[in-house]
Amino acid sequence: DQQVKQNSPSLSVQEGRISILNCDYTNSMFDYFLWYKKYPAEGPTFLISISSIKDKNEDGRFTVFLNKSAKHLSLHIVPSQPGDSAVYFCAAKKSSGDKLTFGTGTRLAVRP
Amino acid sequence: NAGVMQNPRHLVRRRGQEARLRCSPMKGHSHVYWYRQLPEEGLKFMVYLQKENIIDESGMPKERFSAEFPKEGPSILRIQQVVRGDSAAYFCASSPWFEDHLGETQYFGPGTRLLVL
Repeated sequence: DQQVKQNSPSLSVQEGRISILNCDYTNSMFDYFLWYKKYPAEGPTFLISISSIKDKNEDGRFTVFLNKSAKHLSLHIVPSQPGDSAVYFCAAKKSSGDKLTFGTGTRLAVRP
Repeated sequence: NAGVMQNPRHLVRRRGQEARLRCSPMKGHSHVYWYRQLPEEGLKFMVYLQKENIIDESGMPKERFSAEFPKEGPSILRIQQVVRGDSAAYFCASSPWFEDHLGETQYFGPGTRLLVL
């Protein structure tokens, strides 16, 4: 039962343009969402998060949008840079201290 | 402030041997989580520990796997009698006490890549 889904396994974007990565979830008990970036042979690096009481959180080039009614969130990266090329994981949790449930990841390639 | 430390980074074992993976959380963090990533898959939760306590082990296989987080020293994930299917990347994450919003975030170590021959 995949409770967090990233339906696009890969995405290719031109440098300077916007990258939009999508994530859907099925469990309405999730109340905190995170995005991680992962390079090969490294651990996931925390990027940005959002609580279910908000619908948007912004940090520099990264913005996360949450649509609770649709159980959908997205990560916007603008402008995209070649160094952003990595696998991006969406994760969700139900309460403080609870485990993270991860999506299967989207591989982003930013073309120079 | 050093990040989450894991060692070894790579571990090769033959079938039937034991694997011990170590994790030192970030300074000031009292919560440790272990996740496993099989090839071409996302990370799957295994176990959540606080000092000297296992809080949630719902993701741990019923046999051969155990975890501890002693009062002193790193957290240990132990796999006995390894099989080829245990080959994966094992990640440890830590988080601080949940006094504020910062406590929601888990910070990951570099992982241990286990290969069972």
